[in-house]
Amino acid sequence: AQSVTQLDSQVPVFEEAPVELRCNYSSSVSVYLFWYVQYPNQGLQLLLKYLSGSTLVKGINGFEAEFNKSQTSFHLRKPSVHISDTAEYFCAVSDGGRIQGAQKLVFGQGTRLTINP
Amino acid sequence: NAGVTQTPKFQVLKTGQSMTLQCAQDMNHEYMSWYRQDPGMGLRLIHYSVGAGITDQGEVPNGYNVSRSTTEDFPLRLLSAAPSQTSVYFCASRLGRGNNYGYTFGSGTRLTVV
Repeated sequence: AQSVTQLDSQVPVFEEAPVELRCNYSSSVSVYLFWYVQYPNQGLQLLLKYLSGSTLVKGINGFEAEFNKSQTSFHLRKPSVHISDTAEYFCAVSDGGRIQGAQKLVFGQGTRLTINP
Repeated sequence: NAGVTQTPKFQVLKTGQSMTLQCAQDMNHEYMSWYRQDPGMGLRLIHYSVGAGITDQGEVPNGYNVSRSTTEDFPLRLLSAAPSQTSVYFCASRLGRGNNYGYTFGSGTRLTVV
């Protein structure tokens, strides 16, 4: 079964500073990877996804992630954060199920990003 | 507005009680799923469905039942609530079976079992 590990449970940064949220996945022949964001008291929203092709993936709100097969990583980055980026961020990987063609989504533990003024 | 609707938003249960968490979507999505979110553990899959009458277990299915009789609805039943089931529950749906389709999440149900 596929899994992901988010290496930091909390990341505090100052406003306008760069940030990197780290995610490592379990090795596989092919892998689909995702980053989701959860704002306080809300459901999750998709930030970006890697299915194939270019290893640098751009998402919404200025976020991007780089797929690194040799290091089995999919780190999320933003060059300059804003107060509004305060949220919890989840890395996720696609995994097969017992139903033919059905792919489950397996989430990491989450990283709480706090932006300080 | 189109989307995933979860009811209720908050619920307090006594140990041993049963209840059903409701999830409905109006986007004609084939795939629907239930997750629970606990601090430091991320989201864990409880059950999922790829259409009416087709369901499967996820990572943490014990203590929960599901059925899917229509495309729109995917209720989650707690048979005999336990304090360990205190959590925030999210329903999520997507158009097809593959993860190339994006998820739409509901706003969650916060359940407390005392």
